[in-house]
Amino acid sequence: GENVEQHPSTLSVQEGDSAVIKCTYSDSASNYFPWYKQELGKRPQLIIDIRSNVGEKKDQRIAVTLNKTAKHFSLHITETQPEDSAVYFCAASRTGGSYIPTFGRGTSLIVHP
Amino acid sequence: GAVVSQHPSWVICKSGTSVKIECRSLDFQATTMFWYRQFPKQSLMLMATSNEGSKATYEQGVEKDKFLINHASLTLSTLTVTSAHPEDSSFYICSARVASGGGYEQYFGPGTRLTVT
Repeated sequence: GENVEQHPSTLSVQEGDSAVIKCTYSDSASNYFPWYKQELGKRPQLIIDIRSNVGEKKDQRIAVTLNKTAKHFSLHITETQPEDSAVYFCAASRTGGSYIPTFGRGTSLIVHP
Repeated sequence: GAVVSQHPSWVICKSGTSVKIECRSLDFQATTMFWYRQFPKQSLMLMATSNEGSKATYEQGVEKDKFLINHASLTLSTLTVTSAHPEDSSFYICSARVASGGGYEQYFGPGTRLTVT
């Protein structure tokens, strides 16, 4: 089955700095890679996703890059703000068939004002 | 976007009793829903995949007789924790699979915090 590794487990940055979270996956057939943000005690919310037919996707301050050959993808947050503080999860799945995503362990991002 | 609700948001029960958690898709039909369990500061652990009109598919290590899942309609899936014990205390989150752009997206419910005393 799929195995997703996520690093780092904790990331502490100053407001205005950039933050990068990296994930690797094992199943070369995986073709859909979403990122979720989960604030304390709340539901995970989809913030951005990328499919295997593109290498990069950007939405305002957040961007995701995908390297299919190396089987890794990353989340980039620029100009971080305190409200970006949360736990971020990456996931990998196949969009066809049963679609059961495999989640990374999560990264706790702390943005210091 | 798709909205998924869960009820109750939190529940406290005594050991040995059963608790039912409801997961509803509010503005769409979901043939497939997922049930997750999440411990503090940990990732989402998939418990089972709930398919409308058929039996749920449980992940390895999850007791199907203890965690009963029923997906009786296209908008409702329920998880019943039977004979609850303190070690069942956790945050339970459901999600619904939604077709999008030739594939699927996943929308989560707000979660249910279960405390077993």
